[in-house]
Amino acid sequence: ILNVEQSPQSLHVQEGDSTNFTCSFPSSNFYALHWYRWETAKSPEALFVMTLNGDEKKKGRISATLNTKEGYSYLYIKGSQPEDSATYLCAFIGPNFGNEKLTFGTGTRLTIIP
Amino acid sequence: DGGITQSPKYLFRKEGQNVTLSCEQNLNHDAMYWYRQDPGQGLRLIYYSQIVNDFQKGDIAEGYSVSREKKESFPLTVTSAQKNPTAFYLCASSGGGLGTQYFGPGTRLTVL
Repeated sequence: ILNVEQSPQSLHVQEGDSTNFTCSFPSSNFYALHWYRWETAKSPEALFVMTLNGDEKKKGRISATLNTKEGYSYLYIKGSQPEDSATYLCAFIGPNFGNEKLTFGTGTRLTIIP
Repeated sequence: DGGITQSPKYLFRKEGQNVTLSCEQNLNHDAMYWYRQDPGQGLRLIYYSQIVNDFQKGDIAEGYSVSREKKESFPLTVTSAQKNPTAFYLCASSGGGLGTQYFGPGTRLTVL
């Protein structure tokens, strides 16, 4: 079973501040890395899919970077807003495990303090 | 609207009973998945199916069974052999490519 780790486990951030958190994954046999946002009482929704080393994706105030050689991805949120409160999950796909089978991290639970 | 539905939202069962969780999608996706979430743990894969009439065990398949008779439907049965069935269950589907998965709202199962 693959080991995908996220840190920190939880985070409280003042509204307006920027923040970031980390996803670590096996650097060998990399195929893709996903980021999902999971708001309370809703379904997880996809934020980004990243495949290339050095990839950087952006969606509004949220961006992500990828380093496949060292096995990590960062998710950044600029100018946090209350609606950013959610659990952020990363998920790894390795080619040896089927091209659609995701291994999830435990998530980072982000709370924005108004 | 296209999406994934799961029913029921909350489910209670007595110890020793089998129970079936429903998952339906109208996204025309080939692949469907069942995950389990426990407090402090990530989503763990129970079973997945990449095509109708075919499915594969995930990381924690023991005590569970599935069927995939129709493209739209992927029901999960939690059997009495599952030692700790109380959990939150999520169903997802994927249309292929880079494997972005679309999730249902989940079913919270409590064994009394």
